[in-house]
Amino acid sequence: SAVISQKPSRDICQRGTSLTIQCQVDSQVTMMFWYRQQPGQSLTLIATANQGSEATYESGFVIDKFPISRPNLTFSTLTVSNMSPEDSSIYLCSTDGQASFPTDTQYFGPGTRLTVL
Amino acid sequence: GENVEQHPSTLSVQEGDSAVIKCTYSDSASNYFPWYKQELGKRPQLIIDIRSNVGEKKDQRIAVTLNKTAKHFSLHITETQPEDSAVYFCAASAGGTSYGKLTFGQGTILTVHP
Repeated sequence: SAVISQKPSRDICQRGTSLTIQCQVDSQVTMMFWYRQQPGQSLTLIATANQGSEATYESGFVIDKFPISRPNLTFSTLTVSNMSPEDSSIYLCSTDGQASFPTDTQYFGPGTRLTVL
Repeated sequence: GENVEQHPSTLSVQEGDSAVIKCTYSDSASNYFPWYKQELGKRPQLIIDIRSNVGEKKDQRIAVTLNKTAKHFSLHITETQPEDSAVYFCAASAGGTSYGKLTFGQGTILTVHP
């Protein structure tokens, strides 16, 4: 499986500010996904980020709040905008680690633990 | 959209006992069912998965069964060890335009007592 890293690993932010989270994969991949895991909860898909196209968002998530970039086949960013304490969560990226033959098997990055004060 | 229900929310067993976690899904188009183990402060780790053309899959002490008719699948851990203690999540994916998109169950906190 691909090696997936995220930056930052954690951050504490003030309400009203924005934070950009980076996800780096050690190989080229077609699909990347962003998930949110609220404290003590399960994972919820935010959006799909494919290179060369606009990100597609799941119900309840909007581009103005969670803009996503996918500039190449190994990298993606998720920005959490105009943050409020309710945005305090772990944000994780995932990918199947494949470029040529996408699979539905997903591997996760280590996550970014965000606390909004 | 897909909805995945997972039970129980907590499970406590003695070392050496078996543990079973069950999930049901709503979308008959779902065809891929992975299980993840998440230790405290760590990322979810894929431990086993099953596809809709298979009824059962085993990997050492863990196994997953799938009943497509009833739309449920289960994780079985035998000879549990304290290091099996973690949160376990089931998930489902429908393929097609939903390829790679996972809908997760609520999670099961498994505690294995020495």
